[in-house]
Amino acid sequence: DQQVKQNSPSLSVQEGRISILNCDYTNSMFDYFLWYKKYPAEGPTFLISISSIKDKNEDGRFTVFLNKSAKHLSLHIVPSQPGDSAVYFCAVQGVWDSNYQLIWGAGTKLIIKP
Amino acid sequence: EAQVTQNPRYLITVTGKKLTVTCSQNMNHEYMSWYRQDPGLGLRQIYYSMNVEVTDKGDVPEGYKVSRKEKRNFPLILESPSPNQTSLYFCASSWTQGALSYNEQFFGPGTRLTVL
Repeated sequence: DQQVKQNSPSLSVQEGRISILNCDYTNSMFDYFLWYKKYPAEGPTFLISISSIKDKNEDGRFTVFLNKSAKHLSLHIVPSQPGDSAVYFCAVQGVWDSNYQLIWGAGTKLIIKP
Repeated sequence: EAQVTQNPRYLITVTGKKLTVTCSQNMNHEYMSWYRQDPGLGLRQIYYSMNVEVTDKGDVPEGYKVSRKEKRNFPLILESPSPNQTSLYFCASSWTQGALSYNEQFFGPGTRLTVL
């Protein structure tokens, strides 16, 4: 059973508008929640993280919101730009067998239309 | 330039022919990891290493081996590849994770493997 779910395989947004990517998780014991971005033919690159003790973290155009009661994570991109077109993965960090590991969602492909 | 390199980038092979995918990082990171990415499944961890000579299984280790003889290198070995190992593979490195912080993982560009 997938512990991290990104239910939208793709999302299309007009340039300049807000992009909202969503992620749901099942285990309340995770301590960090992350977003990575991936362009074709490249490895994922880290975008933004949030600790389980916070509910919001901002970095420029990117804001991550954490709703622990709903076990829901979202990434807001405002305003969306053509260079934001990529696959976005959410991931959660937890402890398994005494080591910190990541569990990844399947990814959402974001397309920014000019 | 700080980076993680993987070789080869593309590989087509046949069932049963042993292969090695190399991974090297120049950031002196303790932690290194191998992932595979399959459609609809995201990234799944194969093996990871907390430091030299310390390796452990991830979620999908069957059919793979790793070694960590030096801090910078973490090769992935497929002793007898099978078609179900056709996938996109990523190597990653980071500082050791802890409870009080998240240390971002740096990824290589990926190796696309096809096993016929």
